[in-house]
Amino acid sequence: GIQVEQSPPDLILQEGANSTLRCNFSDSVNNLQWFHQNPWGQLINLFYIPSGTKQNGRLSATTVATERYSLLYISSSQTTDSGVYFCAVGGGANNLFFGTGTRLTVIP
Amino acid sequence: NAGVMQNPRHLVRRRGQEARLRCSPMKGHSHVYWYRQLPEEGLKFMVYLQKENIIDESGMPKERFSAEFPKEGPSILRIQQVVRGDSAAYFCASSPTGYPGYTFGSGTRLTVV
Repeated sequence: GIQVEQSPPDLILQEGANSTLRCNFSDSVNNLQWFHQNPWGQLINLFYIPSGTKQNGRLSATTVATERYSLLYISSSQTTDSGVYFCAVGGGANNLFFGTGTRLTVIP
Repeated sequence: NAGVMQNPRHLVRRRGQEARLRCSPMKGHSHVYWYRQLPEEGLKFMVYLQKENIIDESGMPKERFSAEFPKEGPSILRIQQVVRGDSAAYFCASSPTGYPGYTFGSGTRLTVV
């Protein structure tokens, strides 16, 4: 399967700070999604972004498919942003390979 | 429009019992996926189904695990003769035809005692 590496594994931010999370993958993909798992375990789809750049409020993501990486930007972080951020990739919709996540803690 | 509904949220089973996990996809979604998350790990794909068809079960253990998505009713993930190693969170996701973005349910947390 496709190998997915996420960095950093853990991140602690002061409220209001910005951050960049990285996802590297080992093969060509045509499906890449970012998810946020909140402290209650719920998984929220943030972006479907196999290539290009998208923005949604304080979050944005960029995928450079030819170089096999994706970045998730969080600006003006809030305590509600805490949780684990997963990158998941695949050759299609069937089978996504998840990274081990970046655990973000935002402190007030 | 309700999201992906999974039940039960928590399930406790003794070793050797059967576990049945249910998933109702979002309205209009015809693709259902099951993933398993072990503690402190990412999600691992188990099976992809459409109505009355298993499309890809490459992530399903060969024994004790089965899945179905009948013409009527929810998708069911069934684990027979559970063992302690089956303890995990089981997530279901759905997507519409032509768009691979997932919507996940809240998961079922299975504990085998």
